[in-house]
Amino acid sequence: SQKIEQNSEALNIQEGKTATLTCNYTNYSPAYLQWYRQDPGRGPVFLLLIRENEKEKRKERLKVTFDTTLKQSLFHITASQPADSATYLCALPYSSASKIIFGSGTRLSIRP
Amino acid sequence: DAGVIQSPRHEVTEMGQEVTLRCKPISGHDYLFWYRQTMMRGLELLIYFNNNVPIDDSGMPEDRFSAKMPNASFSTLKIQPSEPRDSAVYFCASSLMSGGGETQYFGPGTRLLVL
Repeated sequence: SQKIEQNSEALNIQEGKTATLTCNYTNYSPAYLQWYRQDPGRGPVFLLLIRENEKEKRKERLKVTFDTTLKQSLFHITASQPADSATYLCALPYSSASKIIFGSGTRLSIRP
Repeated sequence: DAGVIQSPRHEVTEMGQEVTLRCKPISGHDYLFWYRQTMMRGLELLIYFNNNVPIDDSGMPEDRFSAKMPNASFSTLKIQPSEPRDSAVYFCASSLMSGGGETQYFGPGTRLLVL
């Protein structure tokens, strides 16, 4: 079965710097990969989707890369702000099934 | 649209009691998912429906858990009898279509505490 590994420890970044979060997966290469943001006491919110034939995807200050050879996705937040502090989850589809599996998430803290 | 609606937002109950969690998906979405989130196990998929039909319930922990979707705008997750280890945040999510990477929209969750 597919397994996802994200930075288990919290990531502390100085405001203005670029935050980089890692998502590694095992076994088969998924057709796509998603990133979600979760704030305390709230449900996850979708941020970006990248497909297997895409190397990179950008949305404002966010950038996601997808390396199917390394079985890894990187999530970057440039010019980070304290408001970016949250837990970020990556998610992959279960083989061909219509469901996704979530990583455990990485807690990101941006200090002023 | 108001988004995915869940009720109650918080539930405190005693072991052995029946608990019913409710969800109203976004209108027009044909997939509905129930998740459970804990510190130890993260976000786990319990069951999902397509057009009101349960498709995969392999994530349901045991027979004490059951879920129904009587119509396109309502679903329930029931735990009977509840146990302290069921304490978690339960999320409902819906999507327009799945399999192609469509976004899942999550509700605010129900925080369940079983004493």
